[in-house]
Amino acid sequence: KQEVTQIPAALSVPEGENLVLNCSFTDSAIYNLQWFRQDPGKGLTSLLLIQSSQREQTSGRLNASLDKSSGRSTLYIAASQPGDSATYLCAVRTYNYGQNFVFGPGTRLSVLP
Amino acid sequence: DAMVIQNPRYQVTQFGKPVTLSCSQTLNHNVMYWYQQKSSQAPKLLFHYYDKDFNNEADTPDNFQSRRPNTSFCFLDIRSPGLGDAAMYLCATSRGSTAYNEQFFGPGTRLTVL
Repeated sequence: KQEVTQIPAALSVPEGENLVLNCSFTDSAIYNLQWFRQDPGKGLTSLLLIQSSQREQTSGRLNASLDKSSGRSTLYIAASQPGDSATYLCAVRTYNYGQNFVFGPGTRLSVLP
Repeated sequence: DAMVIQNPRYQVTQFGKPVTLSCSQTLNHNVMYWYQQKSSQAPKLLFHYYDKDFNNEADTPDNFQSRRPNTSFCFLDIRSPGLGDAAMYLCATSRGSTAYNEQFFGPGTRLTVL
């Protein structure tokens, strides 16, 4: 059974810092991994999708990497801004789970002005 | 803009009173998902439709049902809501031609059970 964990559960940084969020998964037989942002009381906004054959994806100040063999992905946020404050979730699409996504519990990020 | 729409955004119901949540999409995706997300927890998949084929997760309570009358619409019916069913309900879609496609989410419906 695929299990996804995210560390840390919460993170608080001053504005302008570069930061890394971590996602780990137990079953490396994946199709892809997707990073989402969730603002309080809202739905999920897709940030980046990394296919299993890729090592990284970039969008603006965001860079996501994938090391499938070790079951890890990182989301790098450069020059953080207060508007980046949200919960960040990773989700893994797994061969052995009917091609469905399994989500991690998220990292709650606060960027202080 | 193509999107996933959920109505209502907030729903209040009484213990045991049936409730229906709605999801519609303009993306023309053939896969639609329903997730339940409780406070500070990961979204949990309840079921999904691949076209008209319904796929129920093994641990989804019988209290939860779904209907998909056409490609654009999907409904979540909770037959007898309990206090433990209070949660955010998220609808998502995906183009199902390949498992390599991403999911797109709606804004969610926050369900309160009194």
